[in-house]
Amino acid sequence: DAKTTQPPSMDCAEGRAANLPCNHSTISGNEYVYWYRQIHSQGPQYIIHGLKNNETNEMASLIITEDRKSSTLILPHATLRDTAVYYCIVTGGGNKLTFGTGTQLKVEL
Amino acid sequence: NAGVTQTPKFQVLKTGQSMTLQCAQDMNHEYMSWYRQDPGMGLRLIHYSVGAGITDQGEVPNGYNVSRSTTEDFPLRLLSAAPSQTSVYFCASSYSSTSGNTIYFGEGSWLTVV
Repeated sequence: DAKTTQPPSMDCAEGRAANLPCNHSTISGNEYVYWYRQIHSQGPQYIIHGLKNNETNEMASLIITEDRKSSTLILPHATLRDTAVYYCIVTGGGNKLTFGTGTQLKVEL
Repeated sequence: NAGVTQTPKFQVLKTGQSMTLQCAQDMNHEYMSWYRQDPGMGLRLIHYSVGAGITDQGEVPNGYNVSRSTTEDFPLRLLSAAPSQTSVYFCASSYSSTSGNTIYFGEGSWLTVV
Protein backbone atom coordinates (compact mmCIF):
# COMPACT_ATOMS: atom_id res chain seq x y z
CA ASP A 1 0.00 0.00 0.00
CA ALA A 2 1.17 3.49 -0.78
CA LYS A 3 2.35 5.72 2.05
CA THR A 4 0.27 8.77 2.99
CA THR A 5 1.23 12.07 4.61
CA GLN A 6 -1.23 14.13 6.67
CA PRO A 7 -0.82 17.17 8.90
CA PRO A 8 -0.83 16.12 12.56
CA SER A 9 -3.53 18.56 13.61
CA MET A 10 -6.05 21.07 12.31
CA ASP A 11 -8.62 23.39 13.84
CA CYS A 12 -11.97 24.37 12.39
CA ALA A 13 -14.78 26.65 13.54
CA GLU A 14 -18.15 25.01 14.00
CA GLY A 15 -20.36 25.46 10.96
CA ARG A 16 -17.45 26.06 8.63
CA ALA A 17 -16.06 23.58 6.13
CA ALA A 18 -13.19 21.42 7.29
CA ASN A 19 -10.72 20.59 4.53
CA LEU A 20 -8.33 17.80 5.44
CA PRO A 21 -5.43 17.23 3.00
CA CYS A 22 -3.57 14.02 2.26
CA ASN A 23 -0.55 13.37 0.08
CA HIS A 24 -0.09 9.96 -1.53
CA SER A 25 2.45 10.55 -4.28
CA THR A 26 3.34 6.85 -4.70
CA ILE A 27 -0.24 5.66 -5.25
CA SER A 28 -0.57 3.03 -7.96
CA GLY A 29 -3.31 2.72 -10.54
CA ASN A 30 -5.44 0.15 -8.76
CA GLU A 31 -5.27 1.68 -5.29
CA TYR A 32 -8.20 3.45 -3.67
CA VAL A 33 -8.11 6.40 -1.30
CA TYR A 34 -10.09 5.74 1.88
CA TRP A 35 -10.93 8.02 4.76
CA TYR A 36 -11.79 6.79 8.24
CA ARG A 37 -12.15 8.65 11.48
CA GLN A 38 -11.79 7.66 15.11
CA ILE A 39 -13.62 9.43 17.89
CA HIS A 40 -12.34 9.08 21.46
CA SER A 41 -10.60 5.73 20.83
CA GLN A 42 -13.80 4.16 19.53
CA GLY A 43 -13.60 1.81 16.56
CA PRO A 44 -12.66 3.59 13.32
CA GLN A 45 -15.64 4.73 11.28
CA TYR A 46 -15.72 4.62 7.50
CA ILE A 47 -16.31 7.99 5.86
CA ILE A 48 -15.76 7.73 2.12
CA HIS A 49 -13.51 6.26 -0.54
CA GLY A 50 -12.65 6.89 -4.18
CA LEU A 51 -10.45 5.76 -7.03
CA LYS A 52 -10.02 8.76 -9.31
CA ASN A 53 -13.32 10.61 -9.48
CA ASN A 54 -14.56 12.98 -6.84
CA GLU A 55 -17.04 11.38 -4.48
CA THR A 56 -19.75 12.70 -2.19
CA ASN A 57 -21.96 11.03 0.38
CA GLU A 58 -24.05 12.15 3.32
CA MET A 59 -20.98 12.61 5.50
CA ALA A 60 -18.36 14.21 3.31
CA SER A 61 -16.86 14.91 -0.10
CA LEU A 62 -13.60 13.52 -1.42
CA ILE A 63 -11.62 15.49 -3.98
CA ILE A 64 -8.82 13.59 -5.71
CA THR A 65 -6.37 15.48 -7.90
CA GLU A 66 -6.10 14.52 -11.54
CA ASP A 67 -2.67 12.94 -11.03
CA ARG A 68 -4.07 11.13 -7.95
CA LYS A 69 -1.07 12.15 -5.87
CA SER A 70 -3.13 13.99 -3.30
CA SER A 71 -6.68 14.29 -2.03
CA THR A 72 -8.81 16.41 0.26
CA LEU A 73 -11.61 15.31 2.56
CA ILE A 74 -14.23 17.99 2.98
CA LEU A 75 -16.69 18.09 5.88
CA PRO A 76 -19.03 20.80 4.59
CA HIS A 77 -20.44 22.03 7.91
CA ALA A 78 -18.27 20.80 10.75
CA THR A 79 -19.86 20.28 14.15
CA LEU A 80 -18.32 19.62 17.56
CA ARG A 81 -19.11 15.93 17.05
CA ASP A 82 -16.73 15.86 14.10
CA THR A 83 -13.78 16.32 16.45
CA ALA A 84 -11.77 13.15 15.82
CA VAL A 85 -8.61 11.71 14.33
CA TYR A 86 -8.99 11.39 10.55
CA TYR A 87 -7.03 8.75 8.69
CA CYS A 88 -6.26 8.82 4.98
CA ILE A 89 -5.44 5.32 3.75
CA VAL A 90 -4.42 4.10 0.32
CA THR A 91 -5.01 0.45 -0.45
CA GLY A 92 -5.74 -1.96 -3.25
CA GLY A 93 -8.66 -3.38 -1.31
CA GLY A 94 -9.28 -6.35 0.90
CA ASN A 95 -9.23 -6.01 4.62
CA LYS A 96 -5.63 -4.96 5.21
CA LEU A 97 -5.35 -1.31 6.07
CA THR A 98 -2.14 0.53 6.92
CA PHE A 99 -2.92 3.33 9.34
CA GLY A 100 -0.63 6.30 9.87
CA THR A 101 -1.04 8.70 12.78
CA GLY A 102 -3.76 10.70 10.99
CA THR A 103 -4.91 14.29 11.50
CA GLN A 104 -6.43 15.37 14.79
CA LEU A 105 -9.30 17.67 13.81
CA LYS A 106 -10.56 19.92 16.56
CA VAL A 107 -13.85 21.69 15.89
CA GLU A 108 -14.38 24.69 18.13
CA LEU A 109 -17.22 27.11 18.84
CA ASN B 1 -28.02 -6.28 12.80
CA ALA B 2 -25.35 -5.95 15.47
CA GLY B 3 -22.39 -5.42 13.11
CA VAL B 4 -19.03 -6.38 14.61
CA THR B 5 -19.19 -7.43 18.26
CA GLN B 6 -16.13 -7.76 20.47
CA THR B 7 -15.90 -9.26 23.93
CA PRO B 8 -14.71 -8.56 26.54
CA LYS B 9 -14.55 -4.78 26.43
CA PHE B 10 -12.04 -4.58 29.28
CA GLN B 11 -9.62 -7.18 30.61
CA VAL B 12 -6.68 -7.21 33.01
CA LEU B 13 -4.26 -10.11 32.73
CA LYS B 14 -1.19 -11.13 34.63
CA THR B 15 2.02 -11.75 32.72
CA GLY B 16 2.06 -15.29 31.39
CA GLN B 17 -1.70 -15.80 31.43
CA SER B 18 -3.56 -16.73 28.29
CA MET B 19 -6.89 -15.47 27.04
CA THR B 20 -9.07 -15.18 23.97
CA LEU B 21 -10.62 -12.02 22.58
CA GLN B 22 -13.85 -12.84 20.82
CA CYS B 23 -15.07 -11.25 17.61
CA ALA B 24 -18.33 -11.97 15.83
CA GLN B 25 -20.01 -10.38 12.83
CA ASP B 26 -23.51 -10.93 11.50
CA MET B 27 -23.05 -9.41 8.04
CA ASN B 28 -21.80 -12.59 6.31
CA HIS B 29 -18.51 -10.87 5.51
CA GLU B 30 -15.70 -12.95 4.05
CA TYR B 31 -12.89 -10.79 5.38
CA MET B 32 -12.10 -10.43 9.06
CA SER B 33 -9.04 -9.03 10.78
CA TRP B 34 -7.54 -7.96 14.10
CA TYR B 35 -5.69 -4.72 14.77
CA ARG B 36 -4.01 -3.31 17.84
CA GLN B 37 -3.65 0.35 18.70
CA ASP B 38 -1.06 1.68 21.11
CA PRO B 39 -1.32 5.17 22.63
CA GLY B 40 -0.86 7.97 20.10
CA MET B 41 -0.46 5.60 17.19
CA GLY B 42 -2.52 4.32 14.32
CA LEU B 43 -3.89 0.78 14.14
CA ARG B 44 -1.53 -2.05 13.21
CA LEU B 45 -2.67 -5.30 11.61
CA ILE B 46 -2.11 -8.46 13.67
CA HIS B 47 -3.82 -11.25 11.70
CA TYR B 48 -6.42 -11.44 9.00
CA SER B 49 -8.68 -13.97 7.28
CA VAL B 50 -10.17 -14.03 3.79
CA GLY B 51 -12.66 -16.77 4.60
CA ALA B 52 -13.42 -19.70 6.86
CA GLY B 53 -10.37 -21.90 7.28
CA ILE B 54 -7.96 -19.31 5.86
CA THR B 55 -5.80 -17.02 7.98
CA ASP B 56 -2.58 -15.11 7.48
CA GLN B 57 -0.21 -12.88 9.41
CA GLY B 58 -0.27 -9.14 9.40
CA GLU B 59 2.33 -6.62 10.50
CA VAL B 60 2.61 -7.60 14.19
CA PRO B 61 1.59 -11.28 14.59
CA ASN B 62 4.05 -12.44 17.26
CA GLY B 63 2.40 -13.62 20.47
CA TYR B 64 -1.03 -14.04 18.90
CA ASN B 65 -2.89 -16.93 17.29
CA VAL B 66 -6.10 -16.92 15.28
CA SER B 67 -8.44 -19.42 13.69
CA ARG B 68 -11.51 -19.06 11.49
CA SER B 69 -13.76 -22.09 11.79
CA THR B 70 -16.92 -20.20 10.82
CA THR B 71 -17.68 -17.15 8.69
CA GLU B 72 -19.09 -15.33 11.70
CA ASP B 73 -16.31 -15.72 14.29
CA PHE B 74 -12.65 -14.77 14.40
CA PRO B 75 -11.15 -15.17 17.90
CA LEU B 76 -7.72 -13.80 18.81
CA ARG B 77 -5.70 -15.83 21.30
CA LEU B 78 -2.92 -14.50 23.49
CA LEU B 79 -0.86 -17.54 24.42
CA SER B 80 1.32 -16.05 27.17
CA ALA B 81 0.48 -12.43 27.83
CA ALA B 82 3.29 -9.88 28.11
CA PRO B 83 3.16 -6.22 29.23
CA SER B 84 4.03 -5.24 25.64
CA GLN B 85 0.63 -6.58 24.62
CA THR B 86 -1.15 -3.93 26.66
CA SER B 87 -3.18 -2.21 23.99
CA VAL B 88 -6.60 -1.63 22.50
CA TYR B 89 -7.65 -4.36 20.11
CA PHE B 90 -10.05 -3.85 17.23
CA CYS B 91 -11.72 -6.49 15.12
CA ALA B 92 -12.90 -5.62 11.60
CA SER B 93 -14.86 -7.23 8.80
CA SER B 94 -15.80 -6.54 5.19
CA TYR B 95 -17.04 -8.06 1.97
CA SER B 96 -14.47 -8.86 -0.66
CA SER B 97 -14.70 -6.48 -3.58
CA THR B 98 -12.64 -5.43 -6.55
CA SER B 99 -14.21 -1.98 -6.55
CA GLY B 100 -13.32 -0.89 -3.05
CA ASN B 101 -15.05 -2.08 0.09
CA THR B 102 -16.18 -0.62 3.38
CA ILE B 103 -14.57 -2.08 6.47
CA TYR B 104 -16.57 -2.21 9.67
CA PHE B 105 -14.82 -2.07 13.01
CA GLY B 106 -15.87 -3.25 16.43
CA GLU B 107 -15.80 -0.94 19.43
CA GLY B 108 -12.55 -2.28 20.80
CA SER B 109 -11.25 -4.43 23.63
CA TRP B 110 -9.00 -2.72 26.20
CA LEU B 111 -6.36 -5.13 27.46
CA THR B 112 -3.92 -4.43 30.30
CA VAL B 113 -1.16 -6.90 31.11
CA VAL B 114 0.46 -6.41 34.50
